[in-house]
Formats: sequence, C-alpha cells, structure tokens
Amino acid sequence: AQTVTQSQPEMSVQEAETVTLSCTYDTSESNYYLFWYKQPPSRQMILVIRQEAYKQQNATENRFSVNFQKAAKSFSLKISDSQLGDTAMYFCAFMKQYTGNQFYFGTGTSLTVIP
Amino acid sequence: DADVTQTPRNRITKTGKRIMLECSQTKGHDRMYWYRQDPGLGLRLIYYSFDVKDINKGEISDGYSVSRQAQAKFSLSLESAIPNQTALYFCATSDSTRDRVDIQYFGAGTRLSVL
Repeated sequence: AQTVTQSQPEMSVQEAETVTLSCTYDTSESNYYLFWYKQPPSRQMILVIRQEAYKQQNATENRFSVNFQKAAKSFSLKISDSQLGDTAMYFCAFMKQYTGNQFYFGTGTSLTVIP
Repeated sequence: DADVTQTPRNRITKTGKRIMLECSQTKGHDRMYWYRQDPGLGLRLIYYSFDVKDINKGEISDGYSVSRQAQAKFSLSLESAIPNQTALYFCATSDSTRDRVDIQYFGAGTRLSVL
C-alpha cells in the first residue's frame, strides 16, 4: 500500500509572506500522480495543484508551486503572497497511474494566515 | 449548481438506525467514490465504482454498503449505525479517460453524527 505523510499538523503564516507545506510518500511505483487539495471551513475539497511523476518540471498554478523531488519522494507545496483566503486544511494525495484513480491521502496540514 | 451534490448536508441519528447518504453528479463521469474523513486521519476510501455494474471495496468498507443506481447516482448506506461511524463523508467523481490525469471532484460533504 502507498503511504502519504504530512508531518506538520498545523502551520501559520503572516499575510503576504511565503509558506511551504511538506509531504513525503512511500511507493515502489515509477508512474504516478501527486496532488494538493485545499479544504476551507466550507468543507469543500478543492484541487490546488497536480504533478505527474514523469515530468521533471515542477508544477505551478499562480501563487502555488511545488517542489517535487522524485528520488527523495518529497512533494512540498509553496504558497507565495499568502492571502487570508488561503486559510484551510491542505491535503497531499497520491494516485498510481492506471489503477482506477484510487487516491491515498495524507493526514492534512491546517494552515492559518494571520492578518 | 454544484457538479457533485451530496444529501443531506448534516445528519444526526441514533445507534442502530439505518442511514443512507446520497450522491449525484452532473459531470458525466463514470467513476464515483465514497470517502470518510476523521480528524487526524485524512480521507480514507470506503467504496468505489467504475460503472453501474462495477463496485469495489475500499480500505474501510466494513459496516457500509453502497448502491450505484445510475451512472449519476451513488448511495452509501450504514445498515446499523454505530457511534464510531461519526465522521465527515465525501463523495467524489472522476473520468476514466486514460490519456490525462483523472482528477477527483468532491461534493461538499455530509457530516454524520451517531449518538
């Protein structure tokens, strides 16, 4: 089975600053996908960013970027210019390629943006 | 209107009662999932369905059953609810096209409390 570890249960950041959330995973697969989902107080799970393991280039979506280190099995999320609306629980998730889209989620990091 | 709709949004029930949580989607996706979220444990897969006639157990299926009434509808049942089934339940959908990453889209969740 795959495991996804988020070692930071809670984090905080000042508005407009940059914060990095950590995620590591364990797998013997060579082809897979990684995701970060955001869960604000509304409870809705929202996709933030995704990374294909075969791509060396790190994914970027506006203020969100990842640092994907395949050999180290690390997939951290960097949020630049943090905004109050970024306050949420963030989940890292792993999916094997061509296996029916079974996601494996980490336990989450609760991020608070301080005004 | 939401693409993935879960009903009810909140539910309180008593031990031993039968409960059904419903999920419907307008995305036209073939794959549907039920997850359970507990504090500190992230999301765990209960059941998943690749099409109307294909239903599979996930990581934590004991005490649950599902029904895929149509491509757009996937229900989760607790035949005899117990207090440790108190949790936040999510339905998700995805598209099985294999030439791109199959992102999972989530409903807003159902918060279930079993007294």
